[in-house]
Amino acid sequence: EAGVAQSPRYKIIEKRQSVAFWCNPISGHATLYWYQQILGQGPKLLIQFQNNGVVDDSQLPKDRFSAERLKGVDSTLKIQPAKLEDSAVYLCATTGGALNTGELFFGEGSRLTVL
Amino acid sequence: GNSVTQMEGPVTLSEEAFLTINCTYTATGYPSLFWYVQYPGEGLQLLLKATKADDKGSNKGFEATYRKETTSFHLEKGSVQVSDSAVYFCALSDRGNAGKSTFGDGTTLTVKP
Repeated sequence: EAGVAQSPRYKIIEKRQSVAFWCNPISGHATLYWYQQILGQGPKLLIQFQNNGVVDDSQLPKDRFSAERLKGVDSTLKIQPAKLEDSAVYLCATTGGALNTGELFFGEGSRLTVL
Repeated sequence: GNSVTQMEGPVTLSEEAFLTINCTYTATGYPSLFWYVQYPGEGLQLLLKATKADDKGSNKGFEATYRKETTSFHLEKGSVQVSDSAVYFCALSDRGNAGKSTFGDGTTLTVKP
């Protein structure tokens, strides 16, 4: 079974530029999450999708972050304009399937450096 | 709201030493509890889990018991190996929203030969 795919793995941009991250979930996993992991901290939830609908985006800084999950499969997370404090690893995770116990399946993450 | 507190690291042990990483939590209701591990250069992956009080999760020689009375889920291993060097994250998820998880800040373990 293929895992959660993310791209790009690394991205370096100047502040005020924009960036987009892509996630392809495990087949059949209806729920998709984007987490932000700042160096030395645990992952923090940004947004949760159920199929193509947003379940929880209360922690998403909506003035600069946006996310979508068209057709309930792939998802993109965009930051525009980026700030220095957005430097972090952006993790995509999914749950679902027939035996959903709440275990999260993570991609390898996209590491963003904002200069 | 929910929160998870892990013992601060980093932790450095010699091979075959006993490992304990403490984790306590605050949550409403009865969450599920998890330990995730992140090996160098890899993504986060589930190590073990427990879904109700007194359950013991175990995997790869690691164990953790869901203690409702002390709101704890401490990770233990009797004899660590160099290959156990990684960052370990304690996490909880709401029963009503499986997967929406709150994480601790992680504990870095280094095992020396």
